[in-house]
Amino acid sequence: DVKVTQSSRYLVKRTGEKVFLECVQDMDHENMFWYRQDPGLGLRLIYFSYDVKMKEKGDIPEGYSVSREKKERFSLILESASTNQTSMYLCASSTTAASSPLHFGNGTRLTVT
Amino acid sequence: AQSVSQHNHHVILSEAASLELGCNYSYGGTVNLFWYVQYPGQHLQLLLKYFSGDPLVKGIKGFEAEFIKSKFSFNLRKPSVQWSDTAEYFCAVTASGGSYIPTFGRGTSLIVHP
Repeated sequence: DVKVTQSSRYLVKRTGEKVFLECVQDMDHENMFWYRQDPGLGLRLIYFSYDVKMKEKGDIPEGYSVSREKKERFSLILESASTNQTSMYLCASSTTAASSPLHFGNGTRLTVT
Repeated sequence: AQSVSQHNHHVILSEAASLELGCNYSYGGTVNLFWYVQYPGQHLQLLLKYFSGDPLVKGIKGFEAEFIKSKFSFNLRKPSVQWSDTAEYFCAVTASGGSYIPTFGRGTSLIVHP
């Protein structure tokens, strides 16, 4: 069974801090994704990666960056956290097939004060 | 680019009631369609998917969905809901032969009263 592990379930950070959210998958999937989930807005794609060191912007990349140095690990970085980045962050992975479903982690609930 | 519309944002039912959640997509080509479920406090997980063949697909926990190509729809159904079906449900689509990046609907929150 595919496992996607996000390093923190809850995080509280201060405005202006640099924040790292880590995600690891154990199924050798090529694709990895970062979404944020907000009530009434569903899932919005921040960034995705289709290979090591490769990344593409999603729908809402502003204020975020990502890093993928190893195939199994995909990090989301908030360069300078702001209160409007308070949200649930979901990591997911999949194979390259368009028919392949996403496998999600448990999510990280980030609060920026 | 494809888009997904889920018409019902909040649904409240009593146990044993029938459920149908609407999902429409906009894309002119061949698609792959998914329903995901997020139970309270748990991660999003796949409920069922369609990519070819029989347009009526069955998933876990008694759920099914029907792909109607002419209506660009992929509605989720369950004949008799249980309290444990209380969850958020998301419809998603990817384009066959195109981007593997799914487009999600905004989700439907289902509450089932015992």
